Amino acid sequence: NAGVTQTPKFRVLKTGQSMTLLCAQDMNHEYMYWYRQDPGMGLRLIHYSVGEGTTAKGEVPDGYNVSRLKKQNFLLGLESAAPSQTSVYFCASSHGTGFNFGDGTRLSIL
Amino acid sequence: TQLLEQSPQFLSIQEGENLTVYCNSSSVFSSLQWYRQEPGEGPVLLVTVVTGGEVKKLKRLTFQFGDARKDSSLHITAAQPGDTGLYLCAGDKAAGNKLTFGGGTRVLVKP
Repeated sequence: NAGVTQTPKFRVLKTGQSMTLLCAQDMNHEYMYWYRQDPGMGLRLIHYSVGEGTTAKGEVPDGYNVSRLKKQNFLLGLESAAPSQTSVYFCASSHGTGFNFGDGTRLSIL
Repeated sequence: TQLLEQSPQFLSIQEGENLTVYCNSSSVFSSLQWYRQEPGEGPVLLVTVVTGGEVKKLKRLTFQFGDARKDSSLHITAAQPGDTGLYLCAGDKAAGNKLTFGGGTRVLVKP
């Protein structure tokens, strides 16, 4: 029982490169989320999904896109990475009460 | 300015001492959750409080939701080194299952 799995765990990108962060959950949860965590700022919601095929913007969506083609997967894309996107990214899933988080992807943009 | 303000930002105490972490807002929340996060890992849910004035206990941890559902506190009795971590409060404003997090309180319990 893996819970929420994020890949990759670490990545270094150059400004302007693109990449996709993968999140998979095996708990059959309807809701999935992408947060970023920066020092002293807690976690800020980027995008979220309330079910397969649906996505919505969170608090800080600019520069990111998401897709939820399958219920168990939620993908976060950076089309043109910027240094301001250097952060730790967390995926979470929920069935309605309490979130289950992955262990994060540490992303550095040079 | 964050919707949820946590204080203090950092707390260092000796093993056996008590501590309280506060989570305050001017907004009303339908529910409030507390998480603990350790280095290199994601946050782990400790408790959810939903009723104004509610008090929940989890071993040496006591959680309270304010009467007006705008604030919460976490009290740890006789802290142990294993309590070290980043404590995060998170609120759901409209029962829409979309959490807003506070900035976190980093707790260090020294043996």
